Amino acid sequence: QKEVEQDPGPLSVPEGAIVSLNCTYSNSAFQYFMWYRQYSRKGPELLMYTYSSGNKEDGRFTAQVDKSSKYISLFIRDSQPSDSATYLCAMRGTGNQFYFGTGTSLTVIP
Amino acid sequence: GAVVSQHPSWVICKSGTSVKIECRSLDFQATTMFWYRQFPKQSLMLMATSNEGSKATYEQGVEKDKFLINHASLTLSTLTVTSAHPEDSSFYICSAREVDRLYGYTFGSGTRLTVV
Repeated sequence: QKEVEQDPGPLSVPEGAIVSLNCTYSNSAFQYFMWYRQYSRKGPELLMYTYSSGNKEDGRFTAQVDKSSKYISLFIRDSQPSDSATYLCAMRGTGNQFYFGTGTSLTVIP
Repeated sequence: GAVVSQHPSWVICKSGTSVKIECRSLDFQATTMFWYRQFPKQSLMLMATSNEGSKATYEQGVEKDKFLINHASLTLSTLTVTSAHPEDSSFYICSAREVDRLYGYTFGSGTRLTVV
């Protein structure tokens, strides 16, 4: 079983739609949860981060962590064509190593 | 914010030659840098952890003699792909962490390596 599972998509939505991206994980020691956005042929950039369970909102983005279910989500409201990218979830415990999902490819159609 | 510069952004080389990729932290010191490899439609796979002034720690299955890592200063780590073969063609990405920045592993922009 992989440490982190993420549906690779691709996901295609119309502009203005609400997008839901999800990851599940198996290691209960994970404490730090991140979402990265990666445009084609570029390195990932940190989008959102949360510690332990709970919600965090930043503009049109909301990150949720449910540690009891080992499930994290990223919601994008009022999606824009510029949101078209691959979204990677990442998590870590107390060590340095990150564990990444495979990434979900999102296309927002104008 | 923290910036990591990676160079070159793309390179094409012939089989059997060596290629060096540089990763620089521009506005912070990074005692630890990480090297990842990413195949199309796949996640980032950690290759090695680079520690300033000491030997790199390689992940299982990564050939240390093929992927030479040097972290000679607090702002520079290099990855050299030696005797490159077409199967080494991939997207290589480095990342570095600013001290006390729990979440912030800043990534470089990546290097697209094509071996012909």
